[in-house]
Amino acid sequence: RKEVEQDPGPFNVPEGATVAFNCTYSNSASQSFFWYRQDCRKEPKLLMSVYSSGNEDGRFTAQLNRASQYISLLIRDSKLSDSATYLCVVKDGNYQLIWGAGTKLIIKP
Amino acid sequence: NAGVTQTPKFQVLKTGQSMTLQCAQDMNHNSMYWYRQDPGMGLRLIYYSASEGTTDKGEVPNGYNVSRLNKREFSLRLESAAPSQTSVYFCASSEAWTGNTEAFFGQGTRLTVV
Repeated sequence: RKEVEQDPGPFNVPEGATVAFNCTYSNSASQSFFWYRQDCRKEPKLLMSVYSSGNEDGRFTAQLNRASQYISLLIRDSKLSDSATYLCVVKDGNYQLIWGAGTKLIIKP
Repeated sequence: NAGVTQTPKFQVLKTGQSMTLQCAQDMNHNSMYWYRQDPGMGLRLIYYSASEGTTDKGEVPNGYNVSRLNKREFSLRLESAAPSQTSVYFCASSEAWTGNTEAFFGQGTRLTVV
């Protein structure tokens, strides 16, 4: 079983819709959680950290469920520019970042 | 702002050749990393340097060596390239090894070993 698992997609979503995807992690000792965004043939960039109480940044909302060991990302009012691959990242008890393989999102006009 | 700069951007090697990937950051970060990214897989850590003067193996260190030349620079060397090392390589840096710190990435090196 992979340590961090994501649905690879692609998720094909019309512009303006709401889309959500989850990521599950296997190590209950994981300390920190992040969502990164990676555009095609580019480097990953931090989208947002995920806090225990959940957090929001504009149209993006991240949630953490420690009991079920998953994090989620919700994108509201999706834009064409949101098309990218979203990478779930978990920092384990040894401070190493464990990366999911990513969920590809395609926003259609 | 340059951030993290890595060179080269593209490279084709023949099996058995050697090369060094260069990485430099101008953010005064303590920690630096080398990752590889293969299709359908998450980024995998090759080596990291939690602070200047230290280096440690990550998940997939075999076939690679690193040097933390100074606080700014962290190089990755392939001594004898193999086709299995065909990948996209990313250098990254962060303020610290511990804590909730953001990792900043270079633009990547697309390496093909034939």
